Amino acid sequence: GAGVSQSPSNKVTEKGKDVELRCDPISGHTALYWYRQRLGQGLEFLIYFQGNSAPDKSGLPSDRFSAERTGESVSTLTIQRTQQEDSAVYLCASSARLDFTDTQYFGPGTRLTVL
Amino acid sequence: LAKTTQPISMDSYEGQEVNITCSHNNIATNDYITWYQQFPSQGPRFIIQGYKTKVTNEVASLFIPADRKSSTLSLPRVSLSDTAVYYCLVGDKRGGANNLFFGTGTRLTVIP
Repeated sequence: GAGVSQSPSNKVTEKGKDVELRCDPISGHTALYWYRQRLGQGLEFLIYFQGNSAPDKSGLPSDRFSAERTGESVSTLTIQRTQQEDSAVYLCASSARLDFTDTQYFGPGTRLTVL
Repeated sequence: LAKTTQPISMDSYEGQEVNITCSHNNIATNDYITWYQQFPSQGPRFIIQGYKTKVTNEVASLFIPADRKSSTLSLPRVSLSDTAVYYCLVGDKRGGANNLFFGTGTRLTVIP
């Protein structure tokens, strides 16, 4: 594809509801990353995938967060029982390989607002 | 322990050269240094990467001293459109979560 896409671009939900955020990486990219960015803050790493596998889930903020990737393509980040502190922009990125020297290409993000 | 330390913010006038320094005192032998730029309401984008000495591309230059404990991103003749947050990262080729520390970055504001 032309770039990394994310959907929805904006999501407003009520506290306690579950939300699912989607990321479509660049075709052929092996590595996929999820980050969270609160208003005015830096990026907080959440999880990465090498292929369909997530070797390290320690960056996920709580057990309400989960992520999966299928077909070495689309990834979904699911937040259960959302809380107001989950409000943030969730950014997805992909790179050709799981290699720090490979450029990460970021999507536009999903802005999540929990009321 | 943060892998990198940068100034929180910087201001510059249009047309000036801007130098943003990043400290990475614990950089490892196999680590590379990468800088990303983030405009408001967008995801970050890659600017430049280096290992030692100097790297230059069409956007910026990266200066890395011999001890590699710091690096300086140089933006020549900035314009208003260079207003953004600049992130310095260090990591090795293996990838992994410990290479993905963006921190809070440096917020550059270019003034007319």
